[in-house]
Amino acid sequence: GDSVTQMEGPVTLSEEAFLTINCTYTATGYPSLFWYVQYPGEGLQLLLKATKADDKGSNKGFEATYRKETTSFHLEKGSVQVSDSAVYFCALRENTDKLIFGTGTRLQVFP
Amino acid sequence: GAGVSQSPSNKVTEKGKDVELRCDPISGHTALYWYRQSLGQGLEFLIYFQGNSAPDKSGLPSDRFSAERTGGSVSTLTIQRTQQEDSAVYLCASSLGQGMAEAFFGQGTRLTVV
Repeated sequence: GDSVTQMEGPVTLSEEAFLTINCTYTATGYPSLFWYVQYPGEGLQLLLKATKADDKGSNKGFEATYRKETTSFHLEKGSVQVSDSAVYFCALRENTDKLIFGTGTRLQVFP
Repeated sequence: GAGVSQSPSNKVTEKGKDVELRCDPISGHTALYWYRQSLGQGLEFLIYFQGNSAPDKSGLPSDRFSAERTGGSVSTLTIQRTQQEDSAVYLCASSLGQGMAEAFFGQGTRLTVV
């Protein structure tokens, strides 16, 4: 079945460092792809999304590009802040509407 | 309501007891999802609904777990004869039934089996 694979964390960075969190997927159709974020003590919320190949989703300085040829949707940010410390989840939504998440990657940013 | 509401927010139960977890989705959302998040773990898919139907129940861990949705709205997740390994946060989400639509999450129910 369809699945999502994320790099294991935690990812530990200094403030203003460049961030990449890898995400690859397996899907039989053409899914929509998402990044969700869970800040400490809060619920999951959508960070960004992309619905077709070569689409770029972006929000709050984060971006990710839907790469069909490499079945990837890596999350990037040019300069992280302490307030970006959270758990990030990559997800795909099948044409059937089933929504599948990766295992999550914890990001810790230190001043 | 304005968002996805789950109740109770916390539940402590004795091993062997049955529990019911409730989810009130956003009005008009046809898709509803249940996930389980264990400590330090990711989101484990349990089941999802399109309207009142559950196209995919493959994530339910055992026959002790069941879920239903009535009137295309409220859903309940029932765990019978709870075990300690059932302890986790149970999350519910809802969305419009479109591939690109955002899923909105509730705050979850933290279940502790003692």
